[in-house]
Amino acid sequence: EAAVTQSPRSKVAVTGGKVTLSCHQTNNHDYMYWYRQDTGHGLRLIHYSYVADSTEKGDIPDGYKASRPSQENFSLILELASLSQTAVYFCASSPQSDTLYFGEGSRLIVV
Amino acid sequence: GEKVEQHESTLSVREGDSAVINCTYTDTASSYFPWYKQEAGKSLHFVIDIRSNVDRKQSQRLIVLLDKKAKRFSLHITATQPEDSAIYFCAARYGNEKITFGAGTKLTIKP
Repeated sequence: EAAVTQSPRSKVAVTGGKVTLSCHQTNNHDYMYWYRQDTGHGLRLIHYSYVADSTEKGDIPDGYKASRPSQENFSLILELASLSQTAVYFCASSPQSDTLYFGEGSRLIVV
Repeated sequence: GEKVEQHESTLSVREGDSAVINCTYTDTASSYFPWYKQEAGKSLHFVIDIRSNVDRKQSQRLIVLLDKKAKRFSLHITATQPEDSAIYFCAARYGNEKITFGAGTKLTIKP
């Protein structure tokens, strides 16, 4: 069954540390997205990609980097984690930037 | 960039009644408007969408209306059932790739 899987599902990180969230899709989709969810803010787009080896900035890219080494894999990197980056992060894939297929989410707590 | 405002943060209706969730957007170039459902503690999944070339779309008990002049779209859930209880997110696609979400509406179906 086609799916979007995220790892880790939950993580506690120290302020100033590096965090990598990984996403793997078996949908054979070109588009992949990273969103963060905060209570009262819905989902906000951080980075996205429509082809391997290329990433694009979303609406809130500051403090985040992204990497798309292959069609299947898309990572979100926090080089210096901060308290304000505590959130739930969702990865999604899409065939043509329309219907999004979401992963289960990664809960990040920065202390 | 695009901004999507979701007007109802919470909504409570009696089982069997209809629920209506309203959203507005800012970018006249937006052309694709999906809706997603998030059940408690879970990820988001797609429920219905509408494109700018039509003003109404129905899928079983779900109806989406689009008013391009007013830059407004709405989700109507008819004959509500307990399993309709969830958070519903509207979204809009702009620039052909970026999909922006509203803040979400928590829908509660009362017995």
